[in-house]
Amino acid sequence: AQTVTQSQPEMSVQEAETVTLSCTYDTSESDYYLFWYKQPPSRQMILVIRQEAYKQQNATENRFSVNFQKAAKSFSLKISDSQLGDAAMYFCAYRSAKGANSKLTFGKGITLSVRP
Amino acid sequence: DAGVIQSPRHEVTEMGQEVTLRCKPISGHNSLFWYRQTMMRGLELLIYFNNNVPIDDSGMPEDRFSAKMPNASFSTLKIQPSEPRDSAVYFCASSLWTNLGEQYFGPGTRLTVT
Repeated sequence: AQTVTQSQPEMSVQEAETVTLSCTYDTSESDYYLFWYKQPPSRQMILVIRQEAYKQQNATENRFSVNFQKAAKSFSLKISDSQLGDAAMYFCAYRSAKGANSKLTFGKGITLSVRP
Repeated sequence: DAGVIQSPRHEVTEMGQEVTLRCKPISGHNSLFWYRQTMMRGLELLIYFNNNVPIDDSGMPEDRFSAKMPNASFSTLKIQPSEPRDSAVYFCASSLWTNLGEQYFGPGTRLTVT
């Protein structure tokens, strides 16, 4: 079974600075997808960024980028130029690309605070 | 698109009462998921459907919980009888099971059982 680990429960960053959130996963599969979701205080789960395992290039969405290290099974999220609105809980998630299995496995999440 | 719609947004009920949560997935999506989120246990997958068929209900905690998806545009999660430990935020999400299959979440239903 796949597992997703987010070992840091909380992090803090100064506004306008850069922060990296860590995520590791365990799988025996070679083809899969990885995601980062954001959950602000409104509790709405918002998809931030996605990565296909077969792509070597790291995904980027504006100020958000990932560092995908397939051999190390690591998938960290970098937030550049942090803004107050980035304060939220962030979840890393894994999905197998095999067959019709559409289930996501989530990590326990990390709470990010942004200092003005 | 309106996104995933859940109702009610808040529900307060007494122990022993029946609770029904409702979800309308994004039009065209063929997978639907029910999650429960609590401080203690985090985000838990309860059950998911592909093409209206339940695929994995191993996360449903007890027989008190049941879920149905009578058609592609509607699903319910029922708790009968409800207990205080069922208090949580319940999310519904939908996706296309092809390609990336990223899930889109509804706003959640905050359930409080007194």
